[in-house]
Amino acid sequence: EIVLTQSPGTLSLSPGERATLSCRASQSVGGSFLAWYQHKPGQAPSLLIHSASSRATDVPDRFSGSGSGTNFTLTITRLEPEDFAVYYCQQYSSSHYTFGQGTKVEIK
Amino acid sequence: QGQLVQSGAEVKKPGASVKVSCKASGYTFSSYGISWVRQAPGQGLEWMGWISGYNGKTNYAQKVQGRVTMTTDTSTNIAYMELRSLTSDDTAVYYCARRSVFGMDVWGQGTTVTVSS
Repeated sequence: EIVLTQSPGTLSLSPGERATLSCRASQSVGGSFLAWYQHKPGQAPSLLIHSASSRATDVPDRFSGSGSGTNFTLTITRLEPEDFAVYYCQQYSSSHYTFGQGTKVEIK
Repeated sequence: QGQLVQSGAEVKKPGASVKVSCKASGYTFSSYGISWVRQAPGQGLEWMGWISGYNGKTNYAQKVQGRVTMTTDTSTNIAYMELRSLTSDDTAVYYCARRSVFGMDVWGQGTTVTVSS
């Protein structure tokens, strides 16, 4: 099983600041089949990034993903009030999917 | 784009079973799979498994293997997830999500399952 470790656990930032979230895999994620999701309380998660760096439909361009192999990054260039949420990385390279434990982006 | 609508909240006693449904619309059901994901209170997202909408092939997470069965009804475009021998650790919000080459791109609204005596 591919274990995904996200850091930091919590990111305290102000609106307008840049957020950088990390996701490290215990082994290489083949095909860069790595996705990022945003999850707000009381709502279903939503897909932000797939294939490590491709934005999903209607996702604002302030969200970007990068990385390959075992190291991946989600960057939010200028935080908007609606961006404060929990973010999860997830690999779909192996037949057994796994999620990271999440990074909470909170208002400072 | 597609939509997934899940069945309503459930309250079950320990040892019982629960069956959650997920009705798909707006896309060709057989062209995608359905994944099931849950979130226990205060915890992160946990992948439980997926089922192919094409041939019913399944893949379950080790943690729930032996207690979970995922099925589909292609005549009604509904996916089901049955979990047996429930314990309080199974109290969670259960989500279905469309499985595609882009990850899980369409999600149901979630179904709360509470296990309590």
